[in-house]
Amino acid sequence: GENVEQHPSTLSVQEGDSAVIKCTYSDSASNYFPWYKQELGKGPQLIIDIRSNVGEKKDQRIAVTLNKTAKHFSLHITETQPEDSAVYFCAASNPVGGGADGLTFGKGTHLIIQP
Amino acid sequence: DSGVTQTPKHLITATGQRVTLRCSPRSGDLSVYWYQQSLDQGLQFLIQYYNGEERAKGNILERFSAQQFPDLHSELNLSSLELGDSALYFCASSVSQAGSEQFFGPGTRLTVL
Repeated sequence: GENVEQHPSTLSVQEGDSAVIKCTYSDSASNYFPWYKQELGKGPQLIIDIRSNVGEKKDQRIAVTLNKTAKHFSLHITETQPEDSAVYFCAASNPVGGGADGLTFGKGTHLIIQP
Repeated sequence: DSGVTQTPKHLITATGQRVTLRCSPRSGDLSVYWYQQSLDQGLQFLIQYYNGEERAKGNILERFSAQQFPDLHSELNLSSLELGDSALYFCASSVSQAGSEQFFGPGTRLTVL
């Protein structure tokens, strides 16, 4: 089955700096890659996603890049703010047969924004 | 607020017992997914239903089962509970069977004593 590796497990950056979180996946059939932000006591919140026919996608301060050949994708957050502090998860989706799928998640990155 | 609702928020029970967790998907979503989040295993996909039918199974134990009803709400049944079943259980919903955005509910925290 699919395996998703995520690095780093903890990332501390100064407010206003950029943060980059990287993930690799194992199954070349995966074609959907979402990123989730989880704050303490809440469910994961979808912040951005990318599909395998696209190399890069941007939404304001957040961008995601995908390298299908190397099977890795990254989340970039620019101009970080205190409210960006949370745990971020990458995931990969590998539809099987009739199109059913569940997400395979990385272990998460605890992003800490230092004031 | 994702629009996905889950009840109860917290559940405390004893080993060997059976519990039922409930999920209502976002309006218009036909797919419901169940995930388990624990410190040692992370976020793991358990099972998916689409329009009342089971579509995919992940790492779901035989002691666990789920169903999706005609009104599209779903229930996850956990039986013969063990200490290791203590975790957060999330429901997510999406509009289609596969490859569309999944929106997560606030979760149910299960504690087995």
